[in-house]
Amino acid sequence: ETGVTQTPRHLVMGMTNKKSLKCEQHLGHNAMYWYKQSAKKPLELMFVYSLEERVENNSVPSRFSPECPNSSHLFLHLHTLQPEDSALYLCASSPSPDGLVGEQYFGPGTRLTVT
Amino acid sequence: GENVEQHPSTLSVQEGDSAVIKCTYSDSASNYFPWYKQELGKGPQLIIDIRSNVGEKKDQRIAVTLNKTAKHFSLHITETQPEDSAVYFCAASGLTDKLIFGTGTRLQVFP
Repeated sequence: ETGVTQTPRHLVMGMTNKKSLKCEQHLGHNAMYWYKQSAKKPLELMFVYSLEERVENNSVPSRFSPECPNSSHLFLHLHTLQPEDSALYLCASSPSPDGLVGEQYFGPGTRLTVT
Repeated sequence: GENVEQHPSTLSVQEGDSAVIKCTYSDSASNYFPWYKQELGKGPQLIIDIRSNVGEKKDQRIAVTLNKTAKHFSLHITETQPEDSAVYFCAASGLTDKLIFGTGTRLQVFP
């Protein structure tokens, strides 16, 4: 266990559904991240939050909406997704207080399938 | 922007042999190079990292070497065991303060 938990572990949703992914870190870290992992592609950084403020948004489509209510919790709200959004969504946290790169600890991921 | 290339994409070794995975990066300002191991059904796990002020770092059976001049770094696993079988990712970060990942190497260790 890395101290980063994600729920649900698996999610199947239709293109018109709205769902949310949840991430919680128990490490006392200050930065949290959402990544997308697709087959045969490098991990893609989606969002970075440092001290609960968004510091990075890698031009992600607006159908993905992040929320960071406190330094321990991170959500990814999903709506009107496309089949190509099917992937493993990974959450990570880092002790870095200002978003600078340091050791990142990943959760187990949510396997999302869009039908 | 930063680009990280990783080779090979798959690697099969006999138990007890060594395994080497290589990565190259493009941004000469990169200064942090972690390696992650991802087992089936799990997220990536940090196994070792190196910063640009050192050339080599070891932790038991794993080691990482860094050649800043050539802009490449490598992961070395000695005395491989079946439980080393996984996908390994390298990454690099520099001025952008983001981790840029390689495409992964699937390592299989045969008993």
